[in-house]
Amino acid sequence: DQQVKQNSPSLSVQEGRISILNCDYTNSMFDYFLWYKKYPAEGPTFLISISSIKDKNEDGRFTVFLNKSAKHLSLHIVPSQPGDSAVYFCAASADNNNDMRFGAGTRLTVKP
Amino acid sequence: NAGVMQNPRHLVRRRGQEARLRCSPMKGHSHVYWYRQLPEEGLKFMVYLQKENIIDESGMPKERFSAEFPKEGPSILRIQQVVRGDSAAYFCASSSLRTGEFAGELFFGEGSRLTVL
Repeated sequence: DQQVKQNSPSLSVQEGRISILNCDYTNSMFDYFLWYKKYPAEGPTFLISISSIKDKNEDGRFTVFLNKSAKHLSLHIVPSQPGDSAVYFCAASADNNNDMRFGAGTRLTVKP
Repeated sequence: NAGVMQNPRHLVRRRGQEARLRCSPMKGHSHVYWYRQLPEEGLKFMVYLQKENIIDESGMPKERFSAEFPKEGPSILRIQQVVRGDSAAYFCASSSLRTGEFAGELFFGEGSRLTVL
């Protein structure tokens, strides 16, 4: 039962352009959403989060947008840099659950 | 290193052997989570523990898998009689808060990669 879906397994963008990574969820009880970034042979590291009471959260080059009615969130990276090349996981949690649900990840490649 | 420490980083076992994966949470963290990542898949929740207690093991297979987080020492994920399908990366994460009480996020270790021959 995949409650968090990242339908694009990979994305390639040119350096300096915008990267948009998408995530959909099915569980309406989710109220906290996070993006993690993972380099090969390393554990995921937290990138940015958003609570369901907001529709946008910005941190430097990274912005997360939440559309609760569509059960959709996206991560925008602008401008994209080669060092952003990694796998990005979308995650969601609910106040009444003990586990955080992760999507399958999207591999972002930023070309110089 | 004050981060989440996992060992071994790589473990090779033959079918039928036992695998033990260890995780030391970040200093001050009392909540430990284990996740499994199969090839080409996302992270799947397995179990959530606090010191000496299993809080939620709904993601853990009913047989062969067990986890503990003793009063002293690291959390241990134990897989008995391993099979090839157990080959995966196992990630441990820790938090100072329960996931539903978020002020932050989970901090992950670098993972333990299990290969079953």
